[in-house]
Amino acid sequence: GAVVSQHPSWVICKSGTSVKIECRSLDFQATTMFWYRQFPKQSLMLMATSNEGSKATYEQGVEKDKFLINHASLTLSTLTVTSAHPEDSSFYICSAREGGLNTDTQYFGPGTRLTVL
Amino acid sequence: GENVEQHPSTLSVQEGDSAVIKCTYSDSASNYFPWYKQELGKRPQLIIDIRSNVGEKKDQRIAVTLNKTAKHFSLHITETQPEDSAVYFCAATHIYNFNKFYFGSGTKLNVKP
Repeated sequence: GAVVSQHPSWVICKSGTSVKIECRSLDFQATTMFWYRQFPKQSLMLMATSNEGSKATYEQGVEKDKFLINHASLTLSTLTVTSAHPEDSSFYICSAREGGLNTDTQYFGPGTRLTVL
Repeated sequence: GENVEQHPSTLSVQEGDSAVIKCTYSDSASNYFPWYKQELGKRPQLIIDIRSNVGEKKDQRIAVTLNKTAKHFSLHITETQPEDSAVYFCAATHIYNFNKFYFGSGTKLNVKP
């Protein structure tokens, strides 16, 4: 159980275009989803926390107008990188947490490698 | 906010030896500490976790210890095998912070056969 999928697994786009990444919890309802960014050989950096039906909470230094997050249902959250530039190239990973007590664990998606040319 | 520091950044051990990775945290309210294993290009996988109401937890060759007073926790892997080679991340969080995970910088473990 507790499977999280992410789509696409990789994407290459031209500078200036927008890219949407989907994160789905397949066998549980995720009241909270998280988006991380990971540079090569570095740790996971939390970008934002999204709760179903409400606006995402962004970490300091993350541009909310550039990284649009939508959590429309209990099983789907999307991250849209708007007007992407080469510096946005990175590995983006989502995670999902079940609701309820004693459900601290986050389950990670397989990640999306974004390359902006 | 929470600050998690992890040491060492790289660790090489001989197959069969033990490996220890240490993390410290700054927020005394943190009460949940998971450890993740990440192989190259893959998703982080939870390998063990501990809550602040216990001092030690063990699962076969893996154990985690927690010292709340000193605000540090450690991952112990015994009888290491080549397939244990990966990057290991510790994290800290607490429910009053919406369970946001703050990760350590990672430890690249290399188990030499």
